[in-house]
Order: sequence, then C-alpha cells, then structure tokens
Amino acid sequence: LAKTTQPISMDSYEGQEVNITCSHNNIATNDYITWYQQFPSQGPRFIIQGYKTKVTNEVASLFIPADRKSSTLSLPRVSLSDTAVYYCLVGDRWSNYQLIWGAGTKLIIKP
Amino acid sequence: SAVISQKPSRDICQRGTSLTIQCQVDSQVTMMFWYRQQPGQSLTLIATANQGSEATYESGFVIDKFPISRPNLTFSTLTVSNMSPEDSSIYLCSVEGDRGTYEQYFGPGTRLTVT
Repeated sequence: LAKTTQPISMDSYEGQEVNITCSHNNIATNDYITWYQQFPSQGPRFIIQGYKTKVTNEVASLFIPADRKSSTLSLPRVSLSDTAVYYCLVGDRWSNYQLIWGAGTKLIIKP
Repeated sequence: SAVISQKPSRDICQRGTSLTIQCQVDSQVTMMFWYRQQPGQSLTLIATANQGSEATYESGFVIDKFPISRPNLTFSTLTVSNMSPEDSSIYLCSVEGDRGTYEQYFGPGTRLTVT
C-alpha cells in the first residue's frame, strides 16, 4: 500500500499562494493521487485528483512530477476560510480504493 | 455529488451499551465506507459495506464489535457494541463518487462520547 508523508502544519497569510507537498515514494502504476479538505466538525471534502503532470480546477491545482513520487497541492490566493486540514491519498479503485489516510497537513491562514 | 446524512449527529452513552449510527444517501451507491476519527487525528477505515454482501473489516475491527447492515443501495448502519470510553470518537460514513473517479463523499459525522 502506498504511504504518504505530509508536513504536519503550515502557516500562511491571506492572499498568498500556498503549496502543500505530499511524498509517496511507493506509489504504484495504477495509483491516483487525491486531495481532501476537512474543516472542524465536518467530513472531508474532495478537492482535486490527478495521475500525472498538472491538473487544475476552480479551487486548486495539483502538480505531479514525472516520477510521481510526490505531488503538490497549490491553493491560489488563500483566505481565512481555507484554514483546514488537507489530506493526500494515493491508491487505485481496485485495491485499497484510497482508503489509507495519512496524518494530513493543518493549514492556518492568518489575516 | 451525493448528499449524505447521519443520525445521530452526536450522543453521550454509558459504557457497556450499544449505539447504532445511520447513514442515508440521496442516490443509489454500491460502495459505502465507515471510518473512525479520534479528536485531532486522521481517519481510520473500519469497514467497507457493499449492498448484498457481508461487510469487509479492516485489521483491528471485528464484526462483533462493529456490526454493519447494508439493506439497500441508499442506507447503512454501524453499531458500536458494548462501548467503552476508548470508543469515544467521530464516526463517518462515505460513499464512492458518481463519476467513475476515486472521489469519496462524506457524511457530517457522528460524535460519540462514552462515559
């Protein structure tokens, strides 16, 4: 099973771009990378998913290098409401279905 | 995206008793998952519940302690049996995404306190 490693916490300021990197050295060929956001007292919420190179949606970008041993979640122009825990998961649908959750990164945005 | 509700949202129970948590989805889904999240910690998968088959439990979780029902494609229950203070946690259900991705949609969670 692929295991992920993320920084335990990060601080930033409103309006800044925030990049959170996740290491997954043992990622398998069929594994996808998915990021979730969790606010206190809520279930996690899907942010973005990718397999290789770059993926962008309305809230974030995901950068994946060619070796896929890491990935970087990029949040543009963060606001106070982006303060949350961010989880990186890897896996494929047919094995562990991305059900192994690491410790996550607690992101604190300051005014 | 699926909308998931859980009941109860929170409860305080005495040790030795059991609590059944309900998870309702607004659309039919094949795979449902039950997680436990202790305060300030990450999520730990308890079991996978597919309609029409027995739940599959992860290491460290057993059916006698956490029996699961999955009577149809929109509903599941998780029972926490013979509770102890160590069972105090948030219990979350999730379902697979509806777009063929590995996305999961989560319910709001049930906060359980065992005294």
